[in-house]
Amino acid sequence: QKEVEQDPGPLSVPEGAIVSLNCTYSNSAFQYFMWYRQYSRKGPELLMYTYSSGNKEDGRFTAQVDKSSKYISLFIRDSQPSDSATYLCAMRHSGYALNFGKGTSLLVTP
Amino acid sequence: GAVVSQHPSRVICKSGTSVKIECRSLDFQATTMFWYRQFPKQSLMLMATSNEGSKATYEQGVEKDKFLINHASLTLSTLTVTSAHPEDSSFYICSARPGGTNTGELFFGEGSRLTVL
Repeated sequence: QKEVEQDPGPLSVPEGAIVSLNCTYSNSAFQYFMWYRQYSRKGPELLMYTYSSGNKEDGRFTAQVDKSSKYISLFIRDSQPSDSATYLCAMRHSGYALNFGKGTSLLVTP
Repeated sequence: GAVVSQHPSRVICKSGTSVKIECRSLDFQATTMFWYRQFPKQSLMLMATSNEGSKATYEQGVEKDKFLINHASLTLSTLTVTSAHPEDSSFYICSARPGGTNTGELFFGEGSRLTVL
């Protein structure tokens, strides 16, 4: 079993929809949780960073972490065509090496 | 956010040659840099962790003699793919952690696409 599982999609939504992206993990030692956005042929861009359980909001983005269920989510409100990209979840324990999900490909159609 | 620059962004080389990729932190000092490889439609796979002034730590299955990593300064790490073969064709991405922080946020370069003919 991979340590981080993420549905690769693709996920297609109309502009303005609320998008829900999720990852599950198996290592209970993970404490730091991140969401990255990656456009085609580009490096990942850090979107959200969360420590331990709870919610974090930044503009149209909300990150949720449920450590008891080993489940993290990223919500995108009022989705825009420019949000079309691959979204990668990543997490780590006390070390600094990140464990990535496969990424979910999102397409927001006008 | 902090800026990490990678060069070259694309490189095509013949089988058997060596290729060097540079990773620079432009506005911060990076005590630790990480090198990842990403195949099409796959996730980022960590290859090695590079600490300034010491030998890199390689992940299981990554040949240290093939993927030479040098982290000679707090702002520069290099990855050299020696005697490259077509199966080494991939997207190589570096990331860096700003020194003096304990949050562990990593910032990524734009990636380098290597094609070995």
